[in-house]
Amino acid sequence: EPEVTQTPSHQVTQMGQEVILRCVPISNHLYFYWYRQILGQKVEFLVSFYNNEISEKSEIFDDQFSVERPDGSNFTLKIRSTKLEDSAMYFCASSEISPSSYEQYFGPGTRLTVT
Amino acid sequence: AQSVTQLGSHVSVSEGALVLLRCNYSSSVPPYLFWYVQYPNQGLQLLLKYTSAATLVKGINGFEAEFKKSETSFHLTKPSAHMSDAAEYFCAVSHNTGGFKTIFGAGTRLFVKA
Repeated sequence: EPEVTQTPSHQVTQMGQEVILRCVPISNHLYFYWYRQILGQKVEFLVSFYNNEISEKSEIFDDQFSVERPDGSNFTLKIRSTKLEDSAMYFCASSEISPSSYEQYFGPGTRLTVT
Repeated sequence: AQSVTQLGSHVSVSEGALVLLRCNYSSSVPPYLFWYVQYPNQGLQLLLKYTSAATLVKGINGFEAEFKKSETSFHLTKPSAHMSDAAEYFCAVSHNTGGFKTIFGAGTRLFVKA
């Protein structure tokens, strides 16, 4: 069964450093998403991406964040200058968006720890 | 604006007992509703979804949920709890905002006692 993959599974970085989280969505999916989950809290929407541009973003997704689909398979989330409060689990998701299914398939997540 | 409220951050049941996890939603347009399960240190797995077809939705692992528009509810049930059901459960709502972003509830942690 096709699945969304994410690398790395765990990333440790120092405050102020740039990090890039990588995702490979399911190959025939058209919409891509990033969510985050701070430890012990709920999953929060960050951004959705379609047709090579951001379709929607939350208040969390400020100028420190950017997304990119650099090639036909990868979808990346970049945090330019990490802060302690960016420590969280980051989930990538993708969806097909057919009339009969709006299900998002989630990857296993990348745990980002900012020290 | 959409929102999801899950009643009870923790629910504890005995093995073999009924599981009932409550979810109420708010949406200005017909919603798509989902239940996800998260096991410790793992990602999100879809249990079931409602996308305007049958109001009683059956999912994996014996779970089901009923969409009740009049009550704006989408409660998750399972007739008989198993130890392996112990996990965090998230109710979520989505619709076409141009991106189908999903709004999650705060989650309910299910404990199953032997």
